[in-house]
Amino acid sequence: DTAVSQTPKYLVTQMGNDKSIKCEQNLGHDTMYWYKQDSKKFLKIMFSYNNKELIINETVPNRFSPKSPDKAHLNLHINSLELGDSAVYFCASSPPNTVNGEQYFGPGTRLTVT
Amino acid sequence: DQQVKQNSPSLSVQEGRISILNCDYTNSMFDYFLWYKKYPAEGPTFLISISSIKDKNEDGRFTVFLNKSAKHLSLHIVPSQPGDSAVYFCAASEGNAGNMLTFGGGTRLMVKP
Repeated sequence: DTAVSQTPKYLVTQMGNDKSIKCEQNLGHDTMYWYKQDSKKFLKIMFSYNNKELIINETVPNRFSPKSPDKAHLNLHINSLELGDSAVYFCASSPPNTVNGEQYFGPGTRLTVT
Repeated sequence: DQQVKQNSPSLSVQEGRISILNCDYTNSMFDYFLWYKKYPAEGPTFLISISSIKDKNEDGRFTVFLNKSAKHLSLHIVPSQPGDSAVYFCAASEGNAGNMLTFGGGTRLMVKP
């Protein structure tokens, strides 16, 4: 009974393509996030989103956009993929009124751009 | 500019001994600090957290210490077990920034039987 799930787990695609990664959480959380783990293993926040507010890390290119069809889903769309977009992308969610910022992570999607 | 740093990329300890993982930060606006554990091909899982107004939090074998004046925190695992072998990430959150987490680079802990 997966709490935060992502599809696909692996994604291999060519430069210039547009792709999406899906994320779903069944925890009833109202805030979701996307993180990128680069080749040096650093985990960096990309977006924070709830039904009221989207917070974007200013370093994220506008080729990346989160789309939320409903509270349980936050998909990541990437346009015009570049080699440097190759990374593992993690979705996460957090409960309402979280105090310590605890988040629950999905298993990750390894994106390889060739 | 890394606001959260873990200067030791790896640590090896013997089963039963204490593991000490360290983390330094620069942003004095962080109000919570968290430790996450990550196994290969899985997402990080929450381990323990500490408020910036506390200096210690304990949960079973895991204790986190915070030295706010030094902007330093550490995670103690005692006794260490082989199943603790994983990558440990230190993270910090700032309440007025959407609770987005800022992560350190991680420390790979290996507990030898």
